[in-house]
Amino acid sequence: AQTVTQSQPEMSVQEAETVTLSCTYDTSESDYYLFWYKQPPSRQMILVIRQEAYKQQNATENRFSVNFQKAAKSFSLKISDSQLGDAAMYFCAYRRNNNDMRFGAGTRLTVKP
Amino acid sequence: GAVVSQHPSRVICKSGTSVKIECRSLDFQATTMFWYRQFPKKSLMLMATSNEGSKATYEQGVEKDKFLINHASLTLSTLTVTSAHPEDSSFYICSATSKRGDSYNEQFFGPGTRLTVL
Repeated sequence: AQTVTQSQPEMSVQEAETVTLSCTYDTSESDYYLFWYKQPPSRQMILVIRQEAYKQQNATENRFSVNFQKAAKSFSLKISDSQLGDAAMYFCAYRRNNNDMRFGAGTRLTVKP
Repeated sequence: GAVVSQHPSRVICKSGTSVKIECRSLDFQATTMFWYRQFPKKSLMLMATSNEGSKATYEQGVEKDKFLINHASLTLSTLTVTSAHPEDSSFYICSATSKRGDSYNEQFFGPGTRLTVL
């Protein structure tokens, strides 16, 4: 079974600084997708970034980038120039093909002004 | 992007009653819908996978007779919590996959439904 581990229950960053959220996963598959989702207080899940396992290049979306280490099964999220609106729960997720997603326990990010 | 709605957004019911939650894909056909449950400050736990026109597949430990899932059309799936008890109080989130031309099917999440059982 696939498992996703987020070892940081809480993280804090100063506004305009950079923070990295960690995620590791376990799978025997070679083709899969990895995601980072943001869940603000509204509870709506918002896709931050997606990485296809077959791509070696790390995905980037504006201030958000990932460090995907397939052999190490590691998938960290870097948020640059942190903004107050980035404060939320962040979930790392794994998905094989078009099946369901498996989520990590989440990391609560606080942004200090 | 595609939109998934849930209704109601909040519901309070008495213990022993049944509650139905709807999940709709508003602008695309959802061949598969997923139902998740989220306890306060916890992660999303998959309850079941629902394919249009067929029976839902439940995760281990989820009572299929208590959590009835119907996926009658390509735009609607319903979750009915039968004989609800206070321990069923939770946040329920649905998601749906849309068919695209390539092999990857994007998955879109609904806004969730907060169920409180008194």
